[in-house]
Amino acid sequence: SQQGEEDPQALSIQEGENATMNCSYKTSINNLQWYRQNSGRGLVHLILIRSNEREKHSGRLRVTLDTSKKSSSLLITASRAADTASYFCATDEGGKLIFGQGTELSVKP
Amino acid sequence: GAVVSQHPSRVICKSGTSVKIECRSLDFQATTMFWYRQFPKQSLMLMATSNEGSKATYEQGVEKDKFLINHASLTLSTLTVTSAHPEDSSFYICSARSIGAADTQYFGPGTRLTVL
Repeated sequence: SQQGEEDPQALSIQEGENATMNCSYKTSINNLQWYRQNSGRGLVHLILIRSNEREKHSGRLRVTLDTSKKSSSLLITASRAADTASYFCATDEGGKLIFGQGTELSVKP
Repeated sequence: GAVVSQHPSRVICKSGTSVKIECRSLDFQATTMFWYRQFPKQSLMLMATSNEGSKATYEQGVEKDKFLINHASLTLSTLTVTSAHPEDSSFYICSARSIGAADTQYFGPGTRLTVL
């Protein structure tokens, strides 16, 4: 399976700062989703953006999608220590989710 | 919300034995379930797609005779790792797609397999 690329691989910020993660993919998609995973745990679905949408908000999360560049970004505003986790983008390719490499976010109090 | 469970959550076995992992959708029917494998500090890799009542579709490089998948009902899929070896040690995660919500997959909490 092709996997998207995410950058940065790791991000360390102070509480209150914003965190931006980027995701690039290679094929046509139906939608793109962002997930969070705490260490050794399952995945938590954060947000889904469809291929005909450009931006979506959910609480402190803002996701953009640029299908011409095959890229997406996840912005977490006013970060908290509890946001510390790994974040993955996943593209829906014909019903299958293909995950990016992930960004490990550390938010220091 | 939709809940997916996995059992067991952790399993330790000896090399050469087989291990079965169950994935259940607790409050919805899932025609399709997916199995992923995740090595430490890495992303999820799709292993196979499991459709109720039919054979699973395996991703390239995944041995179907080693990772047996059975999707016997609309709420249960099982993954059996046959003749497990230490290199099979990993975090196995399933997800289920609801009949009425094709865009959404609900993920189980994962199973940590350690093969000694």
